[in-house]
Amino acid sequence: GAGVSQSPRYKVAKRGQDVALRCDPISGHVSLFWYQQALGQGPEFLTYFQNEAQLDKSGLPSDRFFAERPEGSVSTLKIQRTQQEDSAVYLCASSLRATGMGTEAFFGQGTRLTVV
Amino acid sequence: QKEVEQNSGPLSVPEGAIASLNCTYSDRGSQSFFWYRQYSGKSPELIMSIYSNGDKEDGRFTAQLNKASQYVSLLIRDSQPSDSATYLCAVKNDMRFGAGTRLTVKP
Repeated sequence: GAGVSQSPRYKVAKRGQDVALRCDPISGHVSLFWYQQALGQGPEFLTYFQNEAQLDKSGLPSDRFFAERPEGSVSTLKIQRTQQEDSAVYLCASSLRATGMGTEAFFGQGTRLTVV
Repeated sequence: QKEVEQNSGPLSVPEGAIASLNCTYSDRGSQSFFWYRQYSGKSPELIMSIYSNGDKEDGRFTAQLNKASQYVSLLIRDSQPSDSATYLCAVKNDMRFGAGTRLTVKP
């Protein structure tokens, strides 16, 4: 596709439910990023993939959060046993290259998760 | 200390004025620097990227990078009400963001 695509756009989960958020990056983009954005805050880094390798997962807030990108393209962010503090917009971004010029990241529309 | 710090704002300027947005970063090894604009309820969109010291101009926008001072700024000339948004600074290839500065341009 022409841009980064995320699905679903909106998700309401009951507390304790597991959720899976999908990101389709721009075709051929090497790097993929996940962020969590609370209202009025900047995007908080969660994790970073270079192709299928998860190079940095230091931003994942707990072991309930898990991300994968098994074939170096589509990525899934999974949140187990959701809690109210997980309510946020989850943003995915991809960039063509991992280093040097061309590392600009382009964002998807985000998934707004509400845990009730 | 956060990796990327921005003036929290909000910043308000009159239409036609120059808006100046600032960002400092902690990692001296950072090589890539980006400015994004985010409208309320929307995703961030890239405005400028800058990789070397000095100024880079694109239309009404100028990015300035000073690696020695670990400082990157964005100037918006002839500010328009449509520039009202949150401006985010991002650093390095792994794209760490600052908290953003909310800019309001008053007609």
